[in-house]
Amino acid sequence: GQQLNQSPQSMFIQEGEDVSMNCTSSSIFNTWLWYKQDPGEGPVLLIALYKAGELTSNGRLTAQFGITRKDSFLNISASIPSDVGIYFCAGPDSGGSNYKLTFGKGTLLTVNP
Amino acid sequence: GAGVSQSPSNKVTEKGKDVELRCDPISGHTALYWYRQSLGQGLEFLIYFQGNSAPDKSGLPSDRFSAERTGGSVSTLTIQRTQQEDSAVYLCASSFDRTGEKLFFGSGTQLSVL
Repeated sequence: GQQLNQSPQSMFIQEGEDVSMNCTSSSIFNTWLWYKQDPGEGPVLLIALYKAGELTSNGRLTAQFGITRKDSFLNISASIPSDVGIYFCAGPDSGGSNYKLTFGKGTLLTVNP
Repeated sequence: GAGVSQSPSNKVTEKGKDVELRCDPISGHTALYWYRQSLGQGLEFLIYFQGNSAPDKSGLPSDRFSAERTGGSVSTLTIQRTQQEDSAVYLCASSFDRTGEKLFFGSGTQLSVL
């Protein structure tokens, strides 16, 4: 099946710093999704990307759909303590079962105030 | 409430016992999903319900796992003869479309099998 590799696995940063994380795959995805999971909660969709090369922002978050369709990046600017959580990339399976999402293992972000 | 509701939030059981996990989706959402999140892992697809169509059970890891959705609303995930490797967070999500992209997740049930 499809696999998504996220890096880094974890990050420890100071409040105010910018953050960058990425997600790569050996196969092509037509949609890239970024979810955030707060401690003790379910994931919440942050950004959805639908076109190769697309750059989309949501507040301090910016995500890009890689030109090769095999990668995506998420950047967080001027981090704040509430940015703490696990960030997952995800993409729908190809073919007729596009309702199934494949998730990466996540990037755990810790922000020191 | 307005969100996806799951119960119980935590469940501790002994190996070999059966457990039932409940999910109450957002009203009006026709699609319902179960995912499993093991420690340090990404989310693993288990099962998908869409309206009155036959569910996609392809992600269920063994025949000890089953799920049903009654009346197109509430869903129950049942694990029979639980094993220690079943310990994980079981997340339910619902969606108003068929693409599986914009999922609304519940807070999950943390299952611990001793």
